[in-house]
Amino acid sequence: QLVLTQSPSASASLGASVKLTCTLSGGHSSYAIAWHQQQPEKGPRYLIKLNSDGSHDKGDGIPDRFSVSTSGAERYLTISSLQSEDEADYYCQTWGTDFRMFGGGTRLTVL
Amino acid sequence: EVHLVESGGGLAQPGGSLRLSCAASGFSFSDYEMNWVRQAPGKGLEWLSYISGSGGTMYYADSVKGRFTISRDNAKNSLYLQVNSLRAEDTAVYYCAREYLLDANFDYWGQGTLVTVSS
Repeated sequence: QLVLTQSPSASASLGASVKLTCTLSGGHSSYAIAWHQQQPEKGPRYLIKLNSDGSHDKGDGIPDRFSVSTSGAERYLTISSLQSEDEADYYCQTWGTDFRMFGGGTRLTVL
Repeated sequence: EVHLVESGGGLAQPGGSLRLSCAASGFSFSDYEMNWVRQAPGKGLEWLSYISGSGGTMYYADSVKGRFTISRDNAKNSLYLQVNSLRAEDTAVYYCAREYLLDANFDYWGQGTLVTVSS
C-alpha cells in the first residue's frame, strides 16, 4: 500500500536553508510527487512537481529559492534564504490511475 | 488568470445534505480534470474525489464513497460536490483543485468553503 511519510515539524533560522523530506513507501519509488505550501489561514498553493528521475516543473511565480531533488524513494524540497512568509505547512502529493494522495504534512517554523 | 471559487458551505445537521460548488474561470474548464479535497480543523489535507474533463469518469476516497457525489457542468464552468448523510467528522474546509494538464498533480486551488456538521 502506497503511503507518503513526512516529518510533522521542521525549523530553521531566517536566511538559512531547510530540506523537507517526503518518503514513498516500499516498492513505490518510481512515483512522481508534487509539493504544496499552505500558509496560515490560507488555501494550499502548488509549488513544484518532482519526477523520479529528478526532472521537475515549478508552479507559476514560484521563486528560485524553492528547489527539489530525489534519492531512491525520498523526495526533497529545499527552501533557501528562508523568509518569514515561508513559515507554513508543506504537503507532498502523489497519484495513481484511480486515486490521489497526500502526505501528513510538515509544519515549518522560521526562527 | 486561473480562479477557483468555492461556495455552498455552512452549518448542516447530522444526517443532512449540502451541495458545494466551485466556479472556475481563466482557463478552458472542460479540458481539465478536477478534484475535491478537504481539511478538518487542525488536520492535514484529505483527497475526496476526482472527475475527468468530460465528466464521464469519477473516483472517490473510501471514506466518502457512497455518500458524496462529484459532478460538473462544463457549460457553466462549474464543479460540484453533493455531500449526503453528513457526520460530525465531515466538518472541514472543502477545496476544489485543478489537475495539471499533462499529469495529475494539482496546480491550482480554491480558497475553500467551510462545512460544519452539528446539531
